[in-house]
Amino acid sequence: KNEVEQSPQNLTAQEGEFITINCSYSVGISALHWLQQHPGGGIVSLFMLSSGKKKHGRLIATINIQEKHSSLHITASHPRDSAVYICAFQSMDSNYQLIWGAGTKLIIKP
Amino acid sequence: DTEVTQTPKHLVMGMTNKKSLKCEQHMGHRAMYWYKQKAKKPPELMFVYSYEKLSINESVPSRFSPECPNSSLLNLHLHALQPEDSALYLCASSRRVPTGTMSTDTQYFGPGTRLTVL
Repeated sequence: KNEVEQSPQNLTAQEGEFITINCSYSVGISALHWLQQHPGGGIVSLFMLSSGKKKHGRLIATINIQEKHSSLHITASHPRDSAVYICAFQSMDSNYQLIWGAGTKLIIKP
Repeated sequence: DTEVTQTPKHLVMGMTNKKSLKCEQHMGHRAMYWYKQKAKKPPELMFVYSYEKLSINESVPSRFSPECPNSSLLNLHLHALQPEDSALYLCASSRRVPTGTMSTDTQYFGPGTRLTVL
């Protein structure tokens, strides 16, 4: 069983829709990251959180440590949000190693 | 400046060639990382440099040789690579170095070098 599970694997939505991507993990973590990867490579760190909720522009990330679950929300989605969104965490056992989810490929249609 | 830069963007090399990938950051970060990413897979950690010293080598073959000439620059020297080494090579940096107790820090990633080995 993977230590981190992301859902959905693929998501296609219309511009303006509210988007939710979920991430569940099975071990104790010290922090969870949400990252964005556009086609062609570069990865951008969106959030790092260990409790509660963070907001940046139209992006909101939440984490529930007891339930070992995190969500990434995008409000008023736009075609430029199309990318792969990845959750990754640092476990309490190995803090340098990021354990990566498989990613969610998001396509926002105009 | 919150940017990690990588050069070249694309590299095609033969199995007998020697080439180098370069990564640079001017954020004063003390940890730098090399990752390898195959298509549709998450990145795999290769090396970590902490305070310009190699602190973690994830059992990477010796045909990959990292070098950290100064606190802003990280190189990855390539020699006698195999076609299966073709991948996206990502560099990242973080302000704090990974240690036993200090665990959490954002890693800033570069755009990557897409490497093709013929």
